[in-house]
Amino acid sequence: DAKTTQPPSMDCAEGRAANLPCNHSTISGNEYVYWYRQIHSQGPQYIIHGLKNNETNEMASLIITEDRKSSTLILPHATLRDTAVYYCIVRVSGGSNYKLTFGKGTLLTVNP
Amino acid sequence: EAQVTQNPRYLITVTGKKLTVTCSQNMNHEYMSWYRQDPGLGLRQIYYSMNVEVTDKGDVPEGYKVSRKEKRNFPLILESPSPNQTSLYFCASSFLRDNLLGGYTFGSGTRLTVV
Repeated sequence: DAKTTQPPSMDCAEGRAANLPCNHSTISGNEYVYWYRQIHSQGPQYIIHGLKNNETNEMASLIITEDRKSSTLILPHATLRDTAVYYCIVRVSGGSNYKLTFGKGTLLTVNP
Repeated sequence: EAQVTQNPRYLITVTGKKLTVTCSQNMNHEYMSWYRQDPGLGLRQIYYSMNVEVTDKGDVPEGYKVSRKEKRNFPLILESPSPNQTSLYFCASSFLRDNLLGGYTFGSGTRLTVV
């Protein structure tokens, strides 16, 4: 699986959009980008995933650059409850390798 | 409610005493996996299973065993626990179709202390 690079921490003001970047410059054509978050020591929560088109659901939007070397997770109106560690993962869609490796993620702190 | 259920939530045990952490999902997911989480090391995958009777090692399988005799259950077995297995453990499940893995649903975690 391609490695990802995320900033260790970010701050965001409550009510503003939070834009979390992820670099995956070695991504290959059949690798999906997944985003999860973990609030304190709770079980991580799936947010969204995509291959090459931008995706949106009730939680967030995922913007993937045209060359697919990076992506941005957007929380449109961050709240205090969005304070969490956010993980960006890329994973091949086929083959026999079903490992899913989490990195260190980005600690997003939403401030009042 | 769709969920992954782990038991127990908390466990303190002694070195060498065999234990099993249970994991059950009610979503008919093909894929299940175990992770451990330690400060500074993040989430590390222990074992995963693509379907009944099909399992494979993750990144840190030493000292652990798993089995997948039924689709809904994926217990984690520590035959001879040691203090370095003190950790927060998470079970997760997902659909697996045409080699595409869906988003994981995680359990609430099991905090294990081995003394």
